Amino acid sequence: AQKVTQAQTEISVVEKEDVTLDCVYETRDTTYYLFWYKQPPSGELVFLIRRNSFDEQNEISGRYSWNFQKSTSSFNFTITASQVVDSAVYFCALREYTGANSKLTFGKGITLSVRP
Amino acid sequence: DTEVTQTPKHLVMGMTNKKSLKCEQHMGHRAMYWYKQKAKKPPELMFVYSYEKLSINESVPSRFSPECPNSSLLNLHLHALQPEDSALYLCASSQDPYSYNEQFFGPGTRLTVL
Repeated sequence: AQKVTQAQTEISVVEKEDVTLDCVYETRDTTYYLFWYKQPPSGELVFLIRRNSFDEQNEISGRYSWNFQKSTSSFNFTITASQVVDSAVYFCALREYTGANSKLTFGKGITLSVRP
Repeated sequence: DTEVTQTPKHLVMGMTNKKSLKCEQHMGHRAMYWYKQKAKKPPELMFVYSYEKLSINESVPSRFSPECPNSSLLNLHLHALQPEDSALYLCASSQDPYSYNEQFFGPGTRLTVL
């Protein structure tokens, strides 16, 4: 069965600090998809990134970057020069390639607080 | 338009009431989802509609009844709820139900059952 572990539960940083959110996953499939979502206090989950299991290239989008390492089953997310608006709960999620009935498995989420 | 809308934003209901939650998307997506999220927990899948047909029911109690009138709309009918059903109800959609497509979420309905 698939599993996503976000061992950090709460992180607090001061604005402009860099912060890395860890995500470790378990799956028996060779083909799978990983996602990160942001949930600000308003409640809506905002899609940030999708990565498939065959694409280990790191990705950078502005202040956000993602490090995917199949060897350690990790898909970590770094925010550079954090801002107060980055305060949110961040979920890592995994979906196996088992057709239309595959489900999105979420980690427990990491609450990030960025203080001014 | 990359938006999923949900109404109402907040709902308070008694255990004997009947109410409905509504979700709408105009992205041409053919898969729509209902999730339930309790405070400080990840979303839990309730139902999946694939091409307007119910494809997954995660053993949800019958007091929750989903409906997909057309490809853009998804409803969740509520009847005889319990206080423990109080939660944030999130609707999502994806291009189709296959695993590689990201799901886009609406802002949710915060439900309180008294």
